[in-house]
Amino acid sequence: EAEVAQSPRYKITEKSQAVAFWCDPISGHATLYWYRQILGQGPELLVQFQDESVVDDSQLPKDRFSAERLKGVDSTLKIQPAELGDSAMYLCASSLVGERGFYEQYFGPGTRLTVT
Amino acid sequence: DAKTTQPTSMDCAEGRAANLPCNHSTISGNEYVYWYRQIHSQGPQYIIHGLKNNETNEMASLIITEDRKSSTLILPHATLRDTAVYYCIVRSGGTSYGKLTFGQGTILTVHP
Repeated sequence: EAEVAQSPRYKITEKSQAVAFWCDPISGHATLYWYRQILGQGPELLVQFQDESVVDDSQLPKDRFSAERLKGVDSTLKIQPAELGDSAMYLCASSLVGERGFYEQYFGPGTRLTVT
Repeated sequence: DAKTTQPTSMDCAEGRAANLPCNHSTISGNEYVYWYRQIHSQGPQYIIHGLKNNETNEMASLIITEDRKSSTLILPHATLRDTAVYYCIVRSGGTSYGKLTFGQGTILTVHP
């Protein structure tokens, strides 16, 4: 069964350092999402891509976070500089796209970030 | 999207049915009810969704009240592997567009 791949699975970094996460969605999935999940809370959307275009980044802290999906396939989420409050699980999800019908979001295993 | 209210936690004995309630009293006519679950240290997993009719798949059943203000997710024969956080989400339409807005969810613990 196809899966969403993420790396690394765990990352420890010092505050003020740069950190990057990678996501490879399920083949053929045009929509890609990055969510952040703080311990004890539900995931919160950071950014959504449709192919290579950003369609929703309203919750992305743009002063320090950036995301790209250059060829409309895999994606990178970057934080620079990292802050203590960025410690969280970063989840990537993908789905098919269509105006009619439901397409479930498939989630990857996530990257657990700890900022010290 | 309409807000949902779920109990913080529930317990269930292995082999018994687990019934997880969700209130969504402000749901509008074109909003669907979705259920996802998240097993510890994994990403969320889709379970089921519905508009107004009851739905069943290989994982669970979804019962939506006639006024659509609440719903119940039923796991007919809970196993230890069903221990997870269960999220009830209301979202417009049946399309893949748009984010999933997760709440706190219900922590379901299945015990032997």
